[in-house]
Amino acid sequence: AQKVTQAQTEISVVEKEDVTLDCVYETRDTTYYLFWYKQPPSGELVFLIRRNSFDEQNEISGRYSWNFQKSTSSFNFTITASQVVDSAVYFCALSENYGGSQGNLIFGKGTKLSVKP
Amino acid sequence: EPEVTQTPSHQVTQMGQEVILRCVPISNHLYFYWYRQILGQKVEFLVSFYNNEISEKSEIFDDQFSVERPDGSNFTLKIRSTKLEDSAMYFCASNTGTSGYEQYFGPGTRLTVT
Repeated sequence: AQKVTQAQTEISVVEKEDVTLDCVYETRDTTYYLFWYKQPPSGELVFLIRRNSFDEQNEISGRYSWNFQKSTSSFNFTITASQVVDSAVYFCALSENYGGSQGNLIFGKGTKLSVKP
Repeated sequence: EPEVTQTPSHQVTQMGQEVILRCVPISNHLYFYWYRQILGQKVEFLVSFYNNEISEKSEIFDDQFSVERPDGSNFTLKIRSTKLEDSAMYFCASNTGTSGYEQYFGPGTRLTVT
């Protein structure tokens, strides 16, 4: 069965600290996709990144970086030099290949990040 | 930049009433989705829709729920007889249908059932 686990319910850091949000997934498919979404206090879901199961290259985008490791079924997200505007709930999500196009997203429970000034 | 829109932003209804939540997906997208998020909890998949029919649905999507694409732009979620536990944020999403592409989410409709 598909499952996404975000073990950290809440994290609180002080501005400029680095923080890593953990995500562990379960799937029986060999082809799947992983995502991170940000949900700020305003409530919308903002797409951050997607990764397919064949691409284990880590990615960096500004202060954000992602570490995908198939061996441990993990897709962790690191924010470097955190800022108050990073305060949000972050969701990791999994999608399996479905008839050649993307199936529904299975979300983790989310990690609430609070960055204090 | 094109975006998914949803109306209304907040809907209050009495238990037992029917509600229709509306979404306008991005115009060249082919797959449409509804998700819900009960306050403080994770986002849960309800249903996906392609080529004018449901392609997948979750256990949550029972006979009280239905979806429709009544014209070329709108995508609606109907709850026939609302229950208190239907109170949640409902998100519409769409994507191009190309494998691995992200789903673009609308801003959500907060449904409150009293």
